[in-house]
Amino acid sequence: KAGVTQTPRYLIKTRGQQVTLSCSPISGHRSVSWYQQTPGQGLQFLFEYFSETQRNKGNFPGRFSGRQFSNSRSEMNVSTLELGDSALYLCASSLALAASYEQYFGPGTRLTVT
Amino acid sequence: AQSVTQLGSHVSVSEGALVLLRCNYSSSVPPYLFWYVQYPNQGLQLLLKYTTGATLVKGINGFEAEFKKSETSFHLTKPSAHMSDAAEYFCAVSDVNNAGNMLTFGGGTRLMVKP
Repeated sequence: KAGVTQTPRYLIKTRGQQVTLSCSPISGHRSVSWYQQTPGQGLQFLFEYFSETQRNKGNFPGRFSGRQFSNSRSEMNVSTLELGDSALYLCASSLALAASYEQYFGPGTRLTVT
Repeated sequence: AQSVTQLGSHVSVSEGALVLLRCNYSSSVPPYLFWYVQYPNQGLQLLLKYTTGATLVKGINGFEAEFKKSETSFHLTKPSAHMSDAAEYFCAVSDVNNAGNMLTFGGGTRLMVKP
């Protein structure tokens, strides 16, 4: 079974631009979560989706948004990019929306904002 | 609110030596507990998890962890380190009362293995 895939793997953008990252979960998984990883702040939860609905959201500004499609694929968007948005963005999928279920992570998208 | 503390951002051991990575959590209710490993330029891979039942949990690659409620700890161990164990390790918790998968991570511990 294929793992979680994320595209693109690397991205370079300029301040003020916007970016869209894509995530395809493991087949059969309906829950998708997004995390931001930076050297300074570590791993931080962005949001999670289940059945095309955002179920939880982390403490990030409104510039960060996401959505989930009927096939469970998810996208996240960051508008008006800032230098501090440079990070590794990780997507994770899970079989169910339950705290006891493990999440499977993709390889991440490395975003660099210049 | 939950929090996770991993003591030691860097741990160095010799090949064949015991690996001990420490994790303590702060939560009003004991959470579900996870250990993940991250190799360079890769995502996170689940090593093991504790939800209910036996407090000593065995995971992949010879790792195990023990949940100690009285100490609010979930330390990760491996009897004998291999060079391939060099990576960053993250302890994470999820709220048993949360209808979701959200994880709160510790700051991570980078394990170095010396030949």
